[in-house]
Amino acid sequence: GAVVSQHPSWVICKSGTSVKIECRSLDFQATTMFWYRQFPKQSLMLMATSNEGSKATYEQGVEKDKFLINHASLTLSTLTVTSAHPEDSSFYICSAPGPTGLSEKLFFGSGTQLSVL
Amino acid sequence: GESVGLHLPTLSVQEGDNSIINCAYSNSASDYFIWYKQESGKGPQFIIDIRSNMDKRQGQRVTVLLNKTVKHLSLQIAATQPGDSAVYFCAENTNTGKLIFGQGTTLQVKP
Repeated sequence: GAVVSQHPSWVICKSGTSVKIECRSLDFQATTMFWYRQFPKQSLMLMATSNEGSKATYEQGVEKDKFLINHASLTLSTLTVTSAHPEDSSFYICSAPGPTGLSEKLFFGSGTQLSVL
Repeated sequence: GESVGLHLPTLSVQEGDNSIINCAYSNSASDYFIWYKQESGKGPQFIIDIRSNMDKRQGQRVTVLLNKTVKHLSLQIAATQPGDSAVYFCAENTNTGKLIFGQGTTLQVKP
């Protein structure tokens, strides 16, 4: 199946700093990628849809200026958590539709555990 | 807003028994459903899917049942193994093209 690589797998940072998370489609191109956030013992919540060559689409309640998304190429999307605070600590997961491009069937990265001190 | 929910947060079964995980969805316009398995600290892994024009689909040891009348989805795992221990999510693809996840059920397999 399609492989989505996410890096780093975990990061610890100080409050006020920014953290960048990368999501790569390894063996296929992805014009669209999705970013999810997951708090402990909770479900995945869609944060935003990343679109190659255009602006990301954010879900209601997600701050655009805090969670910067860049989809610079057909294989790479990045999520930057700016001025991170402890309440931003969470598990962030990216996904992509896979070679068929069907957004209904997503392949997920391994996730990034962010801990803000 | 629209949501997909699960009835039970935790399911504990004996190794070798069959497991049934349930899910209720609320968006009657959803036409595609997926079950994902998530192990601790990892991303979700695709298990099986079903379209709304079907009521049953079988995989290797898993079966998904869809009841559109009551908007209910279930995942059956036959001969549950310790490696099946994980959190299971149902997800629905809405007519907006987005995947909405349910709350999740933790499956614990006792040896």
